[in-house]
Amino acid sequence: AQSVSQHNHHVILSEAASLELGCNYSYGGTVNLFWYVQYPGQHLQLLLKYFSGDPLVKGIKGFEAEFIKSKFSFNLRKPSVQWSDTAEYFCAFSGGGADGLTFGKGTHLIIQP
Amino acid sequence: EAGVVQSPRYKIIEKKQPVAFWCNPISGHNTLYWYLQNLGQGPELLIRYENEEAVDDSQLPKDRFSAERLKGVDSTLKIQPAELGDSAVYLCASSLRTSVAGELFFGEGSRLTVL
Repeated sequence: AQSVSQHNHHVILSEAASLELGCNYSYGGTVNLFWYVQYPGQHLQLLLKYFSGDPLVKGIKGFEAEFIKSKFSFNLRKPSVQWSDTAEYFCAFSGGGADGLTFGKGTHLIIQP
Repeated sequence: EAGVVQSPRYKIIEKKQPVAFWCNPISGHNTLYWYLQNLGQGPELLIRYENEEAVDDSQLPKDRFSAERLKGVDSTLKIQPAELGDSAVYLCASSLRTSVAGELFFGEGSRLTVL
């Protein structure tokens, strides 16, 4: 069955710390990969996506993610977090392009000033 | 450009009562999704529409849940009767085409509390 595993449910960091959120997917074919973010009181919005080409993709607000096919991973990174990055982060993928998105359970990130 | 609009934002009902949620997708988006998000979990797909056709409703509990998208634009998700375990956020999303697996655009969700 298709699934997404996010390694940490809760992460607490101080401002300016570096961030890496783990994501692994379970699917045998070609995938499209996404990271969505949900700020407090707001709707889910796209941070970045990978469809093909360069496995290192850059998104909004200084976030980037690297697709490592051999590890079935798509980890999210940011070199220096800000208090405003406090949010829920969801990794998601679609396989084969026809079924909508399968989401992970999310990581709740808290940035302490 | 207007985003995905959902209503109501919040709904509190007693168990066994009916409830309905409405969604207006982004103009021109022919694919519409209803997702369920329980507390502390990621969104789970309930149903997906291509225009007015439900192309994937395998995860929709059909004994109490129903959905429609009569003219291929707005959609309604209904629960009748509601149970305590239905308390969750119901998310609507839209996209241009699922065949290209593009980005989904989400509404703010409808938070249901069943007492």
